[in-house]
Amino acid sequence: GQNIDQPTEMTATEGAIVQINCTYQTSGFNGLFWYQQHAGEAPTFLSYNVLDGLEEKGRFSSFLSRSKGYSYLLLKELQMKDSASYLCAVRGDNSGGYQKVTFGIGTKLQVIP
Amino acid sequence: DADVTQTPRNRITKTGKRIMLECSQTKGHDRMYWYRQDPGLGLRLIYYSFDVKDINKGEISDGYSVSRQAQAKFSLSLESAIPNQTALYFCATRASGEEEQFFGPGTRLTVL
Repeated sequence: GQNIDQPTEMTATEGAIVQINCTYQTSGFNGLFWYQQHAGEAPTFLSYNVLDGLEEKGRFSSFLSRSKGYSYLLLKELQMKDSASYLCAVRGDNSGGYQKVTFGIGTKLQVIP
Repeated sequence: DADVTQTPRNRITKTGKRIMLECSQTKGHDRMYWYRQDPGLGLRLIYYSFDVKDINKGEISDGYSVSRQAQAKFSLSLESAIPNQTALYFCATRASGEEEQFFGPGTRLTVL
């Protein structure tokens, strides 16, 4: 099976840097995703990592260590609009033609002035 | 702008009623998905379709059925709604060979 752990809530200050961690246990691994979801809205794609290392995209970066079953999302220069839930999702083995994607429950980030 | 739309956005119904949630997309994607989201739980896959003739069960398909009427349309039905199907339902699309899923705005369903 697949299991994903991420903190339930975090608080950070506007202008600061925050790191949201995600650990996973999966049967096979074929990539890790981060999505942003504002309250009551649809998730929107932030990043995809399939190889170890850091992927940078503007203020957001995502890191993956496959050997440790670990990823983090780094948000720099925090803005109030970054207050949202951040969903970690892992794609596992191919089963019946589909590589199952398991979503974590999400980390609710509150940015304060 | 290309989009994924869902109707209705909100629905309140009673136990035992048949409900259909509809999803349409103008992105030209071949892959479409239905998820539900519950407080304290991650998004869970109900059904997915890789093209019009391809329908597959996800991890929680019991009590649900789907229809892929066209490449752009994917409907989710609850044949006889029950209260534990109260949830936020999302449709999503993805292009073959791409990683990003595009989610619709969601349908908030309440079963009394």
